[in-house]
Amino acid sequence: DSGVTQTPKHLITATGQRVTLRCSPRSGDLSVYWYQQSLDQGLQFLIQYYNGEERAKGNILERFSAQQFPDLHSELNLSSLELGDSALYFCASSVSDSYNSPLHFGNGTRLTVT
Amino acid sequence: AQRVTQPEKLLSVFKGAPVELKCNYSYSGSPELFWYVQYSRQRLQLLLRHISRESIKGFTADLNKGETSFHLKKPFAQEEDSAMYYCALSLNNAGNMLTFGGGTRLMVKP
Repeated sequence: DSGVTQTPKHLITATGQRVTLRCSPRSGDLSVYWYQQSLDQGLQFLIQYYNGEERAKGNILERFSAQQFPDLHSELNLSSLELGDSALYFCASSVSDSYNSPLHFGNGTRLTVT
Repeated sequence: AQRVTQPEKLLSVFKGAPVELKCNYSYSGSPELFWYVQYSRQRLQLLLRHISRESIKGFTADLNKGETSFHLKKPFAQEEDSAMYYCALSLNNAGNMLTFGGGTRLMVKP
């Protein structure tokens, strides 16, 4: 499968902990996006990278950070976790950062904070 | 700030009936509008986009700038259309950041 790959699929951790979510974009895609989906907030844009550089930032908390590596995979780091951080975290990729370049989504990582 | 509103969380129709999933947006400029769909146990995927003016799986969507709407329509619903539908907006000065609506779950009953 050459689509967007996210690991792990599920993650259960305790409050105060730190986790790292990983995303491998589609082959050839240079842009990576992170979205958070929670029951009360819907799909919220967190951050976008293009070819290793941060391109746009959304409603991302200071406790969260991300980066895109030279091989174009990306990691989303969530620290000092709170119960409210429990959500489905999606990664998406696109060929370019043009506004009409379709996004291709991964299956998501379900994070449960207990 | 831009905003996308999908007023219906759930829309239930019978097979063969017309379907209209509503989407309204707030933005003073000229955004690009998209519809994404998530079928059961599948990834969120692009259904159609305004710029292409295409019909995908029988669905069409017309951008009405006067009403700031981008409703998704299909004349005859099929059971396989049952899914979660998200309207999304992209700004041409904001990279490719998408603002999503809350989604509408479409259930097509036999």
